[in-house]
Amino acid sequence: DVKVTQSSRYLVKRTGEKVFLECVQDMDHENMFWYRQDPGLGLRLIYFSYDVKMKEKGDIPEGYSVSREKKERFSLILESASTNQTSMYLCASTSPGPRRGHQPQHFGDGTRLSIL
Amino acid sequence: AQKVTQAQTEISVVEKEDVTLDCVYETRDTTYYLFWYKQPPSGELVFLIRRNSFDEQNEISGRYSWNFQKSTSSFNFTITASQVVDSAVYFCALSEAGILTGGGNKLTFGTGTQLKVEL
Repeated sequence: DVKVTQSSRYLVKRTGEKVFLECVQDMDHENMFWYRQDPGLGLRLIYFSYDVKMKEKGDIPEGYSVSREKKERFSLILESASTNQTSMYLCASTSPGPRRGHQPQHFGDGTRLSIL
Repeated sequence: AQKVTQAQTEISVVEKEDVTLDCVYETRDTTYYLFWYKQPPSGELVFLIRRNSFDEQNEISGRYSWNFQKSTSSFNFTITASQVVDSAVYFCALSEAGILTGGGNKLTFGTGTQLKVEL
């Protein structure tokens, strides 16, 4: 089974701190994603990556950056945390399929981040 | 731009009732993929089903069934004889074709439907 592991289930940080959320997958997936989940808004894509050192902005990239130095690891960085970044963050990965869009994404358990 | 609408925010049913979760999507792509995910209270999203735009056959898996109708841009999910363990948030999602090399394109999610199954 695919395993996507997020480093923390719960995290509390202070306004202005630099925050790192880590995600590791063990299935050699090329594609990795970071989403945030907020009540009434569903999941929204922050950033995604389809290869090492490659990244693309999603729908809500402002205030975030990402790093993909190794294939299995995709980090989300909050450069200067603000209270409106309090949310649930979900990481996902998937592999290329025989046709584009073919494979489902596999998700981690999520990190519930609170910015005080 | 693509969009997924789950108009039902919350549904409550009594165990053994049948329940249908609605999903309506918008896309200009002719090739696309639709997904349903389940999110139990533990938080992890669990993949349930994938359907591509060229396959309108309905699908049944145990107590779960899916009705895909391109004419109405809908991909509805029915749980037959619901159980307490079905209580979760259910998300419908749409995948663009051709954005990422080789597959695994980004998903556009609906806002989710909270299903509560009570005894």
